[in-house]
Amino acid sequence: EIVLTQSPATLSLSPGERATLSCRASQSVSRYLAWYQQKPGQAPRLLIYDAPNRATGIPARFSASGSGTDFTLTISSLEPEDFAVYYCQQRSNWPPTFGPGTKVDFK
Amino acid sequence: QVQLVESGGGVVQPGRSLTLSCAASGFTFSSYAMHWVRQAPGKGLEWVAVISHDGSKRYYADSVKGRFTISRDNSKNTLNVQMNSLRPEDTAVYYCARDGALLTYNYYMDVWGIGTAVTVSS
Repeated sequence: EIVLTQSPATLSLSPGERATLSCRASQSVSRYLAWYQQKPGQAPRLLIYDAPNRATGIPARFSASGSGTDFTLTISSLEPEDFAVYYCQQRSNWPPTFGPGTKVDFK
Repeated sequence: QVQLVESGGGVVQPGRSLTLSCAASGFTFSSYAMHWVRQAPGKGLEWVAVISHDGSKRYYADSVKGRFTISRDNSKNTLNVQMNSLRPEDTAVYYCARDGALLTYNYYMDVWGIGTAVTVSS
């Protein structure tokens, strides 16, 4: 099973700042990685799939890069609604696995 | 609009059974594989099971294999999971989610329900 590690665990930023989140895989997942956003009490929302493709309706301030074992999700300028937990997920190897999440909160 | 609504959660004793359902609307349910994903309190996401668009193939996480059974009724646009021999570690919010690919799998989940909570406790 592929283990995904996310860093940092918490990212404290202000609206308008740039957020850079990292996801590292225990072995190569090629580009088969997705990013999800989850707000408290809500279901996850698909942001990015097969990095760097944005899902339908996802704003351009969300971008992703990486391949192999190292991936990055960037939010270019944080909006108030972007403060949430972000999970990465791989589909390269069965079973699909998720990272532990990075919480983006208000500084 | 595209929507998934789970039901059937509750409090159940260890060793007992529970069946969750998910009602789909706003899309051609029979064209998509469907997943169950769970989230233990304060924890991250764990993939549980997937069923193919036509119900012919089912795959499970090792943690639930042999205890959970995923099924679907395309005539009723409904997804189910029967959970037997429940354990305290099965306590979680259970989400149904649509696979992002049409007529196959890509193991990304592009539509999610709001979830239903299951608590396994004596």
